[in-house]
Amino acid sequence: DAGITQSPRYKITETGRQVTLMCHQTWSHSYMFWYRQDLGHGLRLIYYSAAADITDKGEVPDGYVVSRSKTENFPLTLESATRSQTSVYFCASSGGGLTGANVLTFGAGSRLTVL
Amino acid sequence: QQPVQSPQAVILREGEDAVINCSSSKALYSVHWYRQKHGEAPVFLMILLKGGEQKGHEKISASFNEKKQQSSLYLTASQLSYSGTYFCGTDFVNDYKLSFGAGTTVTVRA
Repeated sequence: DAGITQSPRYKITETGRQVTLMCHQTWSHSYMFWYRQDLGHGLRLIYYSAAADITDKGEVPDGYVVSRSKTENFPLTLESATRSQTSVYFCASSGGGLTGANVLTFGAGSRLTVL
Repeated sequence: QQPVQSPQAVILREGEDAVINCSSSKALYSVHWYRQKHGEAPVFLMILLKGGEQKGHEKISASFNEKKQQSSLYLTASQLSYSGTYFCGTDFVNDYKLSFGAGTTVTVRA
């Protein structure tokens, strides 16, 4: 199916464990993003990528690692999960296009609970 | 740097109007507006690229004042379907990434 998919949709883990959230898009969009959503903070950018093998930090990157070996995949890894990382995580992609026309399409989200 | 949205929440009766503001301390290149229904992903509404430009989506319109570094979203004759959380996303340097505000929750009641 075309689109952007995230997995798992729900995850419960324990403090200190490693967790990987997957993101896959079928449009061959150049740009991909990870945001976290917390009450009172809206959407905050964790990491982003302009193309395969090109990634950069966003506003809140501490405790997270990303990779992008293929254009269509952009996994987000919490190497040692903490309770403060309990959140809803959204992956998004954009084709870039004309200047300023970087419209984001979001995945359905992954709800992560760290106990 | 995240833009500042106001108000945090608004409650409307069907048919009433509302304005949501989005302001930045830095010069803006573009402003995006997204709406998120409860339990769903944010969905793109519109993008504004030039100062004073207005766009529309159904009876929802927006303006962008470059000099004041702010944008406003206008909900006109609100409908039940307008309920949700509205986010502005800002692009400061003609970059491809967006910084989002904390959101404004809109509740429209019959």
